[in-house]
Amino acid sequence: GDSVTQMEGPVTLSEEAFLTINCTYTATGYPSLFWYVQYPGEGLQLLLKATKADDKGSNKGFEATYRKETTSFHLEKGSVQVSDSAVYFCALSPPTNTGNQFYFGTGTSLTVIP
Amino acid sequence: KAGVTQTPRYLIKTRGQQVTLSCSPISGHRSVSWYQQTPGQGLQFLFEYFSETQRNKGNFPGRFSGRQFSNSRSEMNVSTLELGDSALYLCASSLAWFGARADTQYFGPGTRLTVL
Repeated sequence: GDSVTQMEGPVTLSEEAFLTINCTYTATGYPSLFWYVQYPGEGLQLLLKATKADDKGSNKGFEATYRKETTSFHLEKGSVQVSDSAVYFCALSPPTNTGNQFYFGTGTSLTVIP
Repeated sequence: KAGVTQTPRYLIKTRGQQVTLSCSPISGHRSVSWYQQTPGQGLQFLFEYFSETQRNKGNFPGRFSGRQFSNSRSEMNVSTLELGDSALYLCASSLAWFGARADTQYFGPGTRLTVL
């Protein structure tokens, strides 16, 4: 079945460090892929998305490229800030219209220290 | 445009009671999905409603139920609460239409349910 495997956390980085959070998926066809972020005490917010192979989603300095050949959608940021401390979720939406069920990874907690 | 709203934000109940949570989607969104979030299990899909019909259902017991009204507002009910039902319950809305590819989900802030 469809699923998402996400890098285990927690991740602790110093401010201005480079960030990579790995995400791989299992799905038939071409799913849509998403990164969501959850700040403490809040719901999930869409960070970026990509709907077809080789698409690059980007927002607030974060980027992720839809790689069909490696079934991956890794999240990257060149220089993290303290305000990026949050939990990041990779998610997929299956290509077939079986309803609007999303499959989420387990989440990666990021802490950025000054 | 107002975002997804959920009420109440916090709830404390005791075992055996029942609870109803409410979700108002973004205006124009007809799909509402519910998720349970716990530290151990992460985000687990409960069910999705579209045009007042349950379109998809996750692997939860029958104690968990929901409904959607004609204005797309949705409620989720949990009967005979158990300690393990303590979680953050998230609602998400989407434009998703029949026959169309599932679209981005927009989440509310969640309802924190504590069962004592």
